[in-house]
Amino acid sequence: GDSVTQMEGPVTLSEEAFLTINCTYTATGYPSLFWYVQYPGEGLQLLLKATKADDKGSNKGFEATYRKETTSFHLEKGSVQVSDSAVYFCALRQGAQKLVFGQGTRLTINP
Amino acid sequence: DVKVTQSSRYLVKRTGEKVFLECVQDMDHENMFWYRQDPGLGLRLIYFSYDVKMKEKGDIPEGYSVSREKKERFSLILESASTNQTSMYLCASSFQQTNEKLLFGSGTQLSVL
Repeated sequence: GDSVTQMEGPVTLSEEAFLTINCTYTATGYPSLFWYVQYPGEGLQLLLKATKADDKGSNKGFEATYRKETTSFHLEKGSVQVSDSAVYFCALRQGAQKLVFGQGTRLTINP
Repeated sequence: DVKVTQSSRYLVKRTGEKVFLECVQDMDHENMFWYRQDPGLGLRLIYFSYDVKMKEKGDIPEGYSVSREKKERFSLILESASTNQTSMYLCASSFQQTNEKLLFGSGTQLSVL
């Protein structure tokens, strides 16, 4: 079945560092891809999405590009802030089916 | 402000108890979902519903049931709670046609002793 694999966490960075969180997927067909973020004590929020190959999703300085050839959707940010500390989830959706989530990556940004 | 509301933030129950987790959304969404979140495992789908009185099993339905008598309310039921059901439970909802954007509640941390 469909699956999503994220890089192992936790990830700890200093403020203004460059961030990459890797995400790869296995799916038949052409799924839509998503990044969700969970801030402490809250539910998940949609951060960005891409619905077809080579699409780039972006929001709040974060970007991710749908790479069909490498089945990847890595999350990047050029300069992280303390307020970016959260758990990040990569997910896919195939057609009208449910979302399939990765295991989540906890990110901590130190001042 | 639109939202998904889960009735309890923290819940402590004993093994064998029947447990009800309630979720209400005020956005007239057709779809509603129950996930559990465990460290290292991400979110796993327990049950979902595309309409009133309709339910579908997700990936890990064993030990759980659900009820959707009204469009805005989706209840998760643990018939006989066990310690391996200690987890964070997240409810979510979405419109039928744009179901990729799930709106999540804040979660219920359930401890079964």
